[in-house]
Amino acid sequence: NAGVTQTPKFRVLKTGQSMTLLCAQDMNHEYMYWYRQDPGMGLRLIHYSVGEGTTAKGEVPDGYNVSRLKKQNFLLGLESAAPSQTSVYFCASSGGVAGVPDTQYFGPGTRLTVL
Amino acid sequence: TQLLEQSPQFLSIQEGENLTVYCNSSSVFSSLQWYRQEPGEGPVLLVTVVTGGEVKKLKRLTFQFGDARKDSSLHITAAQPGDTGLYLCAGPNDMRFGAGTRLTVKP
Repeated sequence: NAGVTQTPKFRVLKTGQSMTLLCAQDMNHEYMYWYRQDPGMGLRLIHYSVGEGTTAKGEVPDGYNVSRLKKQNFLLGLESAAPSQTSVYFCASSGGVAGVPDTQYFGPGTRLTVL
Repeated sequence: TQLLEQSPQFLSIQEGENLTVYCNSSSVFSSLQWYRQEPGEGPVLLVTVVTGGEVKKLKRLTFQFGDARKDSSLHITAAQPGDTGLYLCAGPNDMRFGAGTRLTVKP
């Protein structure tokens, strides 16, 4: 039982390059989330999903796209990276009852630097 | 939008001291969660408080939810170096986190 895994752990991009971050969970959770964490700003929600095939915008969605083609995977894409997207990215998943999300389980994070 | 403000932002204390950190909002929350995040790792849930006035204890950690469900506090008794980390409060229903209190406990 690996919980929530993220790949890659580290990445350096040049401005304008694209990349995809992969999140996988083996807990059969309905909800999945992508956050970014910047110094002094805590965790900010980028996008989330309430089930396979669904996605929704969070607090800071601009410049990012997501897909949830399989229940266990949640992909975060950067089409044209910008230095402002330098951050640590965390994926999380949670179960829930009657549409109310439960405890979030976080992955170890991806440290992204955009030059 | 329910904003969560945490204080203090940084706290450095000696082993054995007691401390309290706070999470405040102008909005009412149905529940609040506290997470701890260690360097290089993702946050891990410590507790969820649901009822106004509720007090929960987790070993040396005591969590309290305000009567009006707008604020919460975390008190640590006899802090140890293993308590070092970033403490985050969160409103689970809108997936919003506070900026956190970074605690350092020196041996």
